[in-house]
Amino acid sequence: GAGVSQSPSNKVTEKGKDVELRCDPISGHTALYWYRQSLGQGLEFLIYFQGNSAPDKSGLPSDRFSAERTGGSVSTLTIQRTQQEDSAVYLCASSLVRAETQYFGPGTRLLVL
Amino acid sequence: SQQGEEDPQALSIQEGENATMNCSYKTSINNLQWYRQNSGRGLVHLILIRSNEREKHSGRLRVTLDTSKKSSSLLITASRAADTASYFCATDRNRDDKIIFGKGTRLHILP
Repeated sequence: GAGVSQSPSNKVTEKGKDVELRCDPISGHTALYWYRQSLGQGLEFLIYFQGNSAPDKSGLPSDRFSAERTGGSVSTLTIQRTQQEDSAVYLCASSLVRAETQYFGPGTRLLVL
Repeated sequence: SQQGEEDPQALSIQEGENATMNCSYKTSINNLQWYRQNSGRGLVHLILIRSNEREKHSGRLRVTLDTSKKSSSLLITASRAADTASYFCATDRNRDDKIIFGKGTRLHILP
């Protein structure tokens, strides 16, 4: 079956602009995760959804970051007033239930000029 | 705060040798997972070990977990060129909903 997909695959934007990143999880997966990975670094946990709810938003780096999930499926990560330090690969993953095997998407590579 | 820390940061071995990577963490966990990431690509799940398990095997992979030392190790036996990748441990902390990844071990298999 289809895996996790993310769009766009690459995004170049100017400092101060807003960006929206999309994640389509595997059908039937109740848990969805967003991570950020800077060049050569590990993954930074951003947020986790169980269904449409995010129990803990404290991983989001600042109030410029927000995320939502609708219909227990698609999720959108929005970064407002982008800064150069937001440049990274944003990875989405889903799992059948929380904290079990995660299936990762290919990521969105964001570059803020 | 960083939960998982892998060591070594980088490892180069000859093809056919065994590779061992370690992961240490700070707080109690429900489970620990290992993932592989080929350069510039998404992560692939390798193995999950629960807090009440001590060892698991999957093909050429062997994972151990020592909860008293808050550490885990990943052993890859009879390494192949295709094993060249970065390897990350990820911990499911039982105090919150976060999944915390370490910074990874970069493994390079020499021909």
